[in-house]
Amino acid sequence: DADVTQTPRNRITKTGKRIMLECSQTKGHDRMYWYRQDPGLGLRLIYYSFDVKDINKGEISDGYSVSRQAQAKFSLSLESAIPNQTALYFCATSDQVNTGELFFGEGSRLTVL
Amino acid sequence: QKEVEQDPGPLSVPEGAIVSLNCTYSNSAFQYFMWYRQYSRKGPELLMYTYSSGNKEDGRFTAQVDKSSKYISLFIRDSQPSDSATYLCAMRSNSGNEKLTFGTGTRLTIIP
Repeated sequence: DADVTQTPRNRITKTGKRIMLECSQTKGHDRMYWYRQDPGLGLRLIYYSFDVKDINKGEISDGYSVSRQAQAKFSLSLESAIPNQTALYFCATSDQVNTGELFFGEGSRLTVL
Repeated sequence: QKEVEQDPGPLSVPEGAIVSLNCTYSNSAFQYFMWYRQYSRKGPELLMYTYSSGNKEDGRFTAQVDKSSKYISLFIRDSQPSDSATYLCAMRSNSGNEKLTFGTGTRLTIIP
């Protein structure tokens, strides 16, 4: 089984719908992140959490919210999806060693019509 | 201007060639430099990391950092079709809570 698991892997929805992307990890890491990846724009940080009681906005948090339900679970919500939120979304984890290496899930492809 | 600039490619080279991938950056506080490899329909995976300036070699891969020029490179020797992927540079400062800043990625294809 993957260390970082994202569900769903693919989702097509309509404008205005509420969408939740879920992430769970078995690596035992405290730090979890949500990124989106767009062609030509690379990976951009949406939200991150350094422990269960900690939530921080990234560079593109508008239109998104998150919930850290447990050390191993971090969910991303789009309250009212819009077409420009069509993207590939990645969850990632890291521990606190110096490199700050990120361990990514396999991604959730979201299409908003 | 983006904090990290990376040529998006695409880059196609014949099998066995030496590949050079590069990034430039503007933030002089960056101390940790990484290269991630991303296969199609997969998440990125860390390939190499370097702290501060210098070279680091791992098999066919060499990472090079020139902080005076704010320029980092990844060299792939004896390239193989299995090296076909998107390569993303990433970097951060020395602060423990700093997040990674990514380049946009270079798509590489090795032609058999």
